[in-house]
Amino acid sequence: DTEVTQTPKHLVMGMTNKKSLKCEQHMGHRAMYWYKQKAKKPPELMFVYSYEKLSINESVPSRFSPECPNSSLLNLHLHALQPEDSALYLCASSFRQNLEGNQPQHFGDGTRLSIL
Amino acid sequence: GEDVEQSLFLSVREGDSSVINCTYTDSSSTYLYWYKQEPGAGLQLLTYIFSNMDMKQDQRLTVLLNKKDKHLSLRIADTQTGDSAIYFCAEIRENQGGKLIFGQGTELSVKP
Repeated sequence: DTEVTQTPKHLVMGMTNKKSLKCEQHMGHRAMYWYKQKAKKPPELMFVYSYEKLSINESVPSRFSPECPNSSLLNLHLHALQPEDSALYLCASSFRQNLEGNQPQHFGDGTRLSIL
Repeated sequence: GEDVEQSLFLSVREGDSSVINCTYTDSSSTYLYWYKQEPGAGLQLLTYIFSNMDMKQDQRLTVLLNKKDKHLSLRIADTQTGDSAIYFCAEIRENQGGKLIFGQGTELSVKP
């Protein structure tokens, strides 16, 4: 069982739709992450939030818009996605961002996104 | 090179030991991690090792670190069918804001 909860588990959307992915943790973690993972590949970092502020944006296209409304929640807003954006989107959290000592990241089970 | 490298596949018989190898790149990485991913699931943190250690044991798992060669390995004793999964090693890139950099993953197949 994971302590990072992601919803929905599956999402199918058209290229003109707007949807949001949600992530929640109640471990008191102050760093939260979004990753994109294609099948049988390692996760690729998209965004990092540290103390509810955007810390890292890995040059992600603007059709992906992250939001961290409070220390327990992380959203990823999706708009006008392309078929190549179909992937597993993973959320992770850690006590602090990695530069402050050992901060292992704990992952949710992901949202499997399909773009038609 | 710039990549964290792992062999892609490993097949073992149930009850044997499995050894998954990883070569990392950043000699200043303070911690190195092993994650397990089962089909349809997220990544599960298995274990980690601090860079000033050369071995860490946790039940059936043994991590060996050779810092000189930047080589990390994960040994699973008495491998079970439930250990079948993809295993990722990961290093921290201090000069990239503490990003976690993953290897390509080793798919472990355990045959009864």
